[in-house]
Amino acid sequence: DTAVSQTPKYLVTQMGNDKSIKCEQNLGHDTMYWYKQDSKKFLKIMFSYNNKELIINETVPNRFSPKSPDKAHLNLHINSLELGDSAVYFCASSQDNLFPNEKLFFGSGTQLSVL
Amino acid sequence: GQNIDQPTEMTATEGAIVQINCTYQTSGFNGLFWYQQHAGEAPTFLSYNVLDGLEEKGRFSSFLSRSKGYSYLLLKELQMKDSASYLCAVNPGNTPLVFGKGTRLSVIA
Repeated sequence: DTAVSQTPKYLVTQMGNDKSIKCEQNLGHDTMYWYKQDSKKFLKIMFSYNNKELIINETVPNRFSPKSPDKAHLNLHINSLELGDSAVYFCASSQDNLFPNEKLFFGSGTQLSVL
Repeated sequence: GQNIDQPTEMTATEGAIVQINCTYQTSGFNGLFWYQQHAGEAPTFLSYNVLDGLEEKGRFSSFLSRSKGYSYLLLKELQMKDSASYLCAVNPGNTPLVFGKGTRLSVIA
């Protein structure tokens, strides 16, 4: 039973295309996140949702649009893909965002390559 | 702003002890995490410190000094499977975890 699952694992596409990455967690957590990990392995927060509501939106181009149909799902849609979007995107979840010791559970990542 | 520094790479010998340092300057502090990430895999939780001192968990220990903005992860009796990236992350209190760039540890025979 995978706790946080995201699909696809690999995504290769052309510049200008639109693509989506799906994420689901079966842990019953209230909070979900999208992180981007660049080629230098720097893991940076993009979005945070709590109970389907957006609570954090870092400085991310509006070509990136997260959607949370319910608290177990947080999908990421990317419009007009650019070369600089190439990275590994990690979905994560935590019980909630209130307790300081809440650890994150990560999905296995989606390696996006824009050609 | 948030700033977390850790060495980019380290190499150590199987069976030895290695210490990975992390310094941080953040807008707030509600605890520090260490995560392990094997190549091509997701980060996994190792430890959490919020009070000063050493937390020991088997071969891994983590230390925190809040006054110095400093933490380290100590790995004892190194094994080849410990070759991975180790990510230091701080909970600033009002935003999600902020991660450092990670330290890639190579364990050699």
